[in-house]
Amino acid sequence: DAKTTQPNSMESNEEEPVHLPCNHSTISGTDYIHWYRQLPSQGPEYVIHGLTSNVNNRMASLAIAEDRKSSTLILHRATLRDAAVYYCILRGYNNNDMRFGAGTRLTVKP
Amino acid sequence: DSGVTQTPKHLITATGQRVTLRCSPRSGDLSVYWYQQSLDQGLQFLIQYYNGEERAKGNILERFSAQQFPDLHSELNLSSLELGDSALYFCASSVVPQGVSTEAFFGQGTRLTVV
Repeated sequence: DAKTTQPNSMESNEEEPVHLPCNHSTISGTDYIHWYRQLPSQGPEYVIHGLTSNVNNRMASLAIAEDRKSSTLILHRATLRDAAVYYCILRGYNNNDMRFGAGTRLTVKP
Repeated sequence: DSGVTQTPKHLITATGQRVTLRCSPRSGDLSVYWYQQSLDQGLQFLIQYYNGEERAKGNILERFSAQQFPDLHSELNLSSLELGDSALYFCASSVVPQGVSTEAFFGQGTRLTVV
């Protein structure tokens, strides 16, 4: 199964942009890149996903490298509420399950 | 509110006992996933069902079992409980099992404490 690699932790200042990287060098052509986040004491929640092109939604933007071996989740203006563990996972036609790695713990400082 | 309902929210039981955790997926979702999250292990995938059939199995112990019923709700049965089974158990649902272009929705979890 294709795996992802993320930094264990990152820090950001409130109202500044945050770029959360994810490496997935063994990604297959049919794998979608999904991002979830888990706020303290809550279940994970969907953030964004994409295949090849960059994607934007109300929560974040997803920038996907041209070779698709890496991607970056962009929070344009971090708020204290964005402090969470962010998970990058791959989902494809051959992946029935949805396995999470350790994720990146984002701390937002006021 | 994700639309995924897990009951009970909290459960305290003794070692050696058996418990059943229940998950009601979002309306229209056919696939259900179960996860265990303990302090030092992160989110561990246990098992996945699609329309009543098991589709994928992760690190699920033999003491644990699950099923998905015709009304699509799912139950996770944990037996011969040990102290180490204390954890948050999450259920998630999605429309289809592969979910390549669809998101999964998570419940708020059941916190199991084994004493």
